[in-house]
Formats: sequence, structure tokens, C-alpha cells
Amino acid sequence: DTAVSQTPKYLVTQMGNDKSIKCEQNLGHDTMYWYKQDSKKFLKIMFSYNNKELIINETVPNRFSPKSPDKAHLNLHINSLELGDSAVYFCASSHRMSGGADTQYFGPGTRLTVL
Amino acid sequence: RKEVEQDPGPFNVPEGATVAFNCTYSNSASQSFFWYRQDCRKEPKLLMSVYSSGNEDGRFTAQLNRASQYISLLIRDSKLSDSATYLCVVNMNYGGATNKLIFGTGTLLAVQP
Repeated sequence: DTAVSQTPKYLVTQMGNDKSIKCEQNLGHDTMYWYKQDSKKFLKIMFSYNNKELIINETVPNRFSPKSPDKAHLNLHINSLELGDSAVYFCASSHRMSGGADTQYFGPGTRLTVL
Repeated sequence: RKEVEQDPGPFNVPEGATVAFNCTYSNSASQSFFWYRQDCRKEPKLLMSVYSSGNEDGRFTAQLNRASQYISLLIRDSKLSDSATYLCVVNMNYGGATNKLIFGTGTLLAVQP
């Protein structure tokens, strides 16, 4: 059973399009996250949600809008895609909002390529 | 200065070698420390937490020096399967209940046969 799953795994799209990435965890965790890993492999947090409530919003352009319909799901919608959005996006979850104090489990990643 | 700094490598070592990775962090208020492993085109996975007293898990030993804000990972008897990127990770508290993980850029290890 996959603990943290993301769809799609690969996403190739044109500049200016709007796209969504979905994430689901079946671990019963309270907290979920979105990370971006750029071409230099630098992994940086974008958002975190705890029980559907936004907790962390790093200085991410407002073209990125996370949505958490319930605590097992955290989706990421991106408007007006730009070339610089090309990256691997990882979803993660952890048991408590304390974040690092509990292990974070990562999804397999969504490789987004903007042409 | 980056919040978490690592030597990117690559470290090319023969099988059976001992290799050590170092990491420094800038925020003295950091509370928790970890090493994650990321295989090529895969997600990061927790390798081990790092405790002040130092801790060992099989061939892997992690050390933390809070005074120097320095973390290390030692791998003994390297295996081909140890080839991966090792990410130094620090939990930062930004006030109240807001904690987040800060990742280093990773150190690439390539174990050669």
C-alpha cells in the first residue's frame, strides 16, 4: 500500500496553462506539506497544512494555491504556469504539526515540465 | 549564508571504504536534526535522526555538536547500494507552533565496485 501518493507522476504543459497536482496520504497523519525541488536538487518547503488549516506559506507566488478538502488530501493548483515552475514537486505528511519532530513521509514526486 | 550547508560532493569511494559527511546549520535555536537519503529520481526518505549524544544504526553513525552547529554522518564498510544523495535536515522553529524542515542541498555519494 502506498503511504503518500501523488498524481500525476509526470506533467508536461505549455506556459500560461493552469494545472493541478493531487496528493493523498493513508497514514492518518494530521499534517501535510508541499515541497519544490529545483534543477539544482534544492528541496524547499512551500506550504504546510494541519487538519485542513494552512500553517506555513513560504513566499510562494499567489499563482500557487493549495487546497485541503480533508486531512488526508492536499492538492496544489498552479495558475499561469511559467518556465521557472519546472521542478519536481513533493508532497509529504507527518503525524503532528511539530513537523520535524516527527518523520516526514514523502510521496514519489510530480515532475513538472513547462515548455 | 545558507541555513543548512553541505559539501555537494560527489564523494567517489570504493566498496568497503569509510566515508564521512559534514553539515553546518545557522540557526542556534534549531531543535531536531536528521539525515535523509534520496536516490536518483526518487523521494527523500529518513535515514536516521541525530541526537546530541550521537547515535548509531548498523554501519551508520550520526553526531551532533550544538556548540559548533555541526552535524556529521559516518558510513562504514560502504556498499554499492549506499550510492545516493544524503540530505542534512534541520527542524527550525519560527515562533509558536510553526516548525519546518530545512534541507541542505545534499551530498552525492557514489560507491564504486
